[in-house]
Amino acid sequence: NAGVTQTPKFQVLKTGQSMTLQCAQDMNHEYMSWYRQDPGMGLRLIHYSVGAGITDQGEVPNGYNVSRSTTEDFPLRLLSAAPSQTSVYFCASSARESPEAFFGQGTRLTVV
Amino acid sequence: GDSVTQMEGPVTLSEEAFLTINCTYTATGYPSLFWYVQYPGEGLQLLLKATKADDKGSNKGFEATYRKETTSFHLEKGSVQVSDSAVYFCALREKLSGGSNYKLTFGKGTLLTVNP
Repeated sequence: NAGVTQTPKFQVLKTGQSMTLQCAQDMNHEYMSWYRQDPGMGLRLIHYSVGAGITDQGEVPNGYNVSRSTTEDFPLRLLSAAPSQTSVYFCASSARESPEAFFGQGTRLTVV
Repeated sequence: GDSVTQMEGPVTLSEEAFLTINCTYTATGYPSLFWYVQYPGEGLQLLLKATKADDKGSNKGFEATYRKETTSFHLEKGSVQVSDSAVYFCALREKLSGGSNYKLTFGKGTLLTVNP
């Protein structure tokens, strides 16, 4: 069972570079979301989607874009990386009728 | 807005000790409550859940009871093992206003270390 798959696992970027973090799920879940995890801050919601073609902002959306062209995929784009975006990023998915969220393994991003 | 407050760590225990990690929440409606666990280098996994008041969630020897009167969902285990060393997150899921969308709100996490 693949569940939620995130790539890459690790990434180092230079300030100003752009990149896309990939997230895919094979459970046909309607909801998908991106979180960042920082020491002492818990998980903070960046963007979320309730279905293909529908996205919305979370708590900390600035500097990130998302799109949801298919049910399976929910990529997160960093437009111009900044050191403040150094973090561990988690993608999660859940079904509309079930409260349980399934998480990917995370992407550790360092911006230098 | 919704919020989750859990006891700050780190928590260090000896094997077979009793564990309590406190969690309280603020929500306007009737949220579902969760405990997630994160082992080193991994993503979060659901440990247990409760969807309504007085429900008790349990898994792997861990328990938590949804107490609406005290807005709490404290995590307990009677005898911890070294393999329980991880970060534990309390979370709530509530419907967003104006639609059928949901939002997960997490506490800041509590690092538990169990020594042999």
